[in-house]
Amino acid sequence: TQLLEQSPQFLSIQEGENLTVYCNSSSVFSSLQWYRQEPGEGPVLLVTVVTGGEVKKLKRLTFQFGDARKDSSLHITAAQTGDTGLYLCAVNNDMRFGAGTRLTVKP
Amino acid sequence: EPEVTQTPSHQVTQMGQEVILRCVPISNHLYFYWYRQILGQKVEFLVSFYNNEISEKSEIFDDQFSVERPDGSNFTLKIRSTKLEDSAMYFCASKDRTLEGSYNEQFFGPGTRLTVL
Repeated sequence: TQLLEQSPQFLSIQEGENLTVYCNSSSVFSSLQWYRQEPGEGPVLLVTVVTGGEVKKLKRLTFQFGDARKDSSLHITAAQTGDTGLYLCAVNNDMRFGAGTRLTVKP
Repeated sequence: EPEVTQTPSHQVTQMGQEVILRCVPISNHLYFYWYRQILGQKVEFLVSFYNNEISEKSEIFDDQFSVERPDGSNFTLKIRSTKLEDSAMYFCASKDRTLEGSYNEQFFGPGTRLTVL
């Protein structure tokens, strides 16, 4: 079982600020997915990263997969109130989710 | 756009009662999943289902739980004798066939909130 640790657990920032959240494991991932979940809804896939060192951009979101494929980060530039939500990382093959980072972006 | 649907949106039951949570996966998807999320906690994998049988289950998925695909469209999760600690959001997800070397997205339903009194 690949244990996924996400940090920080909670993050509250002002609109316009930048932020980075992390997903780490002691194991090597074959692939990793980032999801966003809003209250009362199911998780929605943002991106899948597969290759060590890979960087993927989704508008203001930048996802990076560590060279050793043990960690990943999500960077949000100029956060907006609509970015508020629970950000989850998950291991595709193992169907395990991290506990998530609960992001609140204040106006 | 096709989506996973779940019914009911909210189920309230008494401890010890049986509940059946229903899901309609996306048509043509072949892999089906149930997850649960206790309020304020992480999303936890329960079971995966493929080719009319369970392919993997977690330690949470004990004898009180069962899944079924009774027809070509529905995918159900049954809890035989609910406990207080079964109160949670239950999410169904489905995925298309996995091509070699690809990582297909799981599509999640909106969830059923189960409250056990």
